[in-house]
Amino acid sequence: KAGVTQTPRYLIKTRGQQVTLSCSPISGHRSVSWYQQTPGQGLQFLFEYFSETQRNKGNFPGRFSGRQFSNSRSEMNVSTLELGDSALYLCASSYRRTSGDGGDTQYFGPGTRLTVL
Amino acid sequence: QKEVEQNSGPLSVPEGAIASLNCTYSDRGSQSFFWYRQYSGKSPELIMFIYSNGDKEDGRFTAQLNKASQYVSLLIRDSQPSDSATYLCAVNRFKAAGNKLTFGGGTRVLVKP
Repeated sequence: KAGVTQTPRYLIKTRGQQVTLSCSPISGHRSVSWYQQTPGQGLQFLFEYFSETQRNKGNFPGRFSGRQFSNSRSEMNVSTLELGDSALYLCASSYRRTSGDGGDTQYFGPGTRLTVL
Repeated sequence: QKEVEQNSGPLSVPEGAIASLNCTYSDRGSQSFFWYRQYSGKSPELIMFIYSNGDKEDGRFTAQLNKASQYVSLLIRDSQPSDSATYLCAVNRFKAAGNKLTFGGGTRVLVKP
């Protein structure tokens, strides 16, 4: 079974621009979560989408947004980029079963490395 | 106090020895616990998950969970140089709050031949 895929893998943008990142989950997974990883803050949760609805949101400004399509693919958007947005953005997918162990196990994609100049 | 705490390391272990990694968490509502391995420049890779108190073994890895003490650990037996990586502990409240993994800062492990 193919893993989580993310595109693009690398991006260079300048301050003030906006960016859209894409994530395709593992086949059959309906939950997609986004995380930001930086050397200073580590891995931080951005938001989770399930059945095209945002179910959870982390402590990030409104410049960070996302959406999920009917095929479970997800996009996240960052507007008005700042230097501090330079990070590895990771997408993770899961079944999100509510019964049994492992139902919320998340599998990560390779990430998109965003550099803001 | 951080929600999930790990010793940053590096934890240096000789090849063939046991590496012991620890993680504490503050949210008593946490229901599921995960260990991920992350090589430099790569994304996190799931090692194992544990939901119930006690031990869970998978190959050379053993996870231990003690919810009363809010403590989860990972043992790596017969450590190999390829185990050199950063190990991330993550917790999730799941049924109460959906999928929202909270990560520790990670422990860097160095296995010396």
